[in-house]
Formats: sequence, C-alpha cells, structure tokens
Amino acid sequence: DIQMTQSPSTLSASVGDRVTITCRASQNIKIWLAWYQQKPGTAPNLLIYKASTLERGVPSRFSGNGSVTEFTLTINSLQPDDFATYHCQQYDVEPYTFGRGTKLE
Amino acid sequence: QVQLLQSGAEVKKPGASVRLSCKASGYTLTDNFLHWVRQAPGQGLEWMGIINPRPGVTTYAQKFQGRLTITADTSTGTVFMELSSLTSDDTAVYYCARSRAGYGDKWGPGTLITVSS
Repeated sequence: DIQMTQSPSTLSASVGDRVTITCRASQNIKIWLAWYQQKPGTAPNLLIYKASTLERGVPSRFSGNGSVTEFTLTINSLQPDDFATYHCQQYDVEPYTFGRGTKLE
Repeated sequence: QVQLLQSGAEVKKPGASVRLSCKASGYTLTDNFLHWVRQAPGQGLEWMGIINPRPGVTTYAQKFQGRLTITADTSTGTVFMELSSLTSDDTAVYYCARSRAGYGDKWGPGTLITVSS
C-alpha cells in the first residue's frame, strides 16, 4: 500500500496568516492527490483534486501544488472558517490511502 | 442537489455484523463509483473499499478482506456495506462518498457504529 505522510500533525496559526501543509507519498503517484477539509462532527469536504485543481466553490485562498511524491496545500490569508483538519488522499493506486490529517488551530 | 443519505447509528456486540446503507439522491447511482471510508474516534480517515454499482464490481482494502461486503441495489439507488466479526476496533464513523475519478466529491453525513459488550 502507498503510505501518505502528512506534516505537521498540528499547526498553530492566526487569522490572516499564510500556512502550508505537506503530504509525502511513499511512491510516485503522479498528480493523483486530493485534499479535504473536515470540521468536527461533519464529513470531509473536497477542496482540491489532481494535486492543484480547485473544486468548484472553494475559495481561491486555497491552493495545491506538487507531483510525484511531494505535495503541498497552502492557505493564504487564513479566515476564521479555515480552522479545521485537513486530509490528503492518493487515488493513483487502490487502496486509496489517506494521510493522518493536519489539525489547524 | 447531490446527496448521500446514510442509515442511522447502531450499537453492536463484539462478533456481530453490521449492514449500513447509503442512498444516492440527486444523481444516478450507476453514473459513479462509490467509496466507503471510516474514521475511528480522534483518528484519521481509512479507505475501506469501492464499488462500481453496475455491474457491482468491488475492490476492498486488504485489511478488510473476508469480512467486508459492499453491494448495490440499482433499482433503489442504494449501496450497502456489511462488516462482520466486529471488534471494538471497528467503533468508528462510516462514510460513503461518491467517487469522481477516484476521489470523493460528495460525502454522506456518516453513520456511527459503536461496538461494545
């Protein structure tokens, strides 16, 4: 199985900050990576797919980058609504594994 | 709008089985594959398996081979997930998610399964 390593596990930031979360794959997954946002007690919500394509309706302050094994999710000018947990997922090869999540607080 | 409607929370005893449902609304079930993903309390997301509703072809994570069965009833637009031989480690929220090219673009609200004696 492909292992997805997310860092950091917890990230402290303030409104207005720019933050970056990293996701590393244990093997080449090309650009087949998605990012999700999850708030407590709710289901994950798709933010980005194909490593850098923003899902419709997602604010442009979110951006994704990377390919092969190294990927980043960047949030510019943090808003209060952005404090949540973020998950990466590879969908190149089944099983479609997730990272362990990054809690933004 | 697209919705996935999941069945309600359940409490099960160790060794029992559980069968959850996920009904597609606002789109045709057979137009997309469907994932099952679970999340144990305070933990990350764990991919369990996927079904192509027509013709009902499935792929399961090796961890669940032998005790996970995903099926689809295309007449009602519903996918079922059955997990057997439950242990306390199976206590989690179980999500279904519509697959778009492999990632989940729409998710159900989740179903809490508690395994306890």
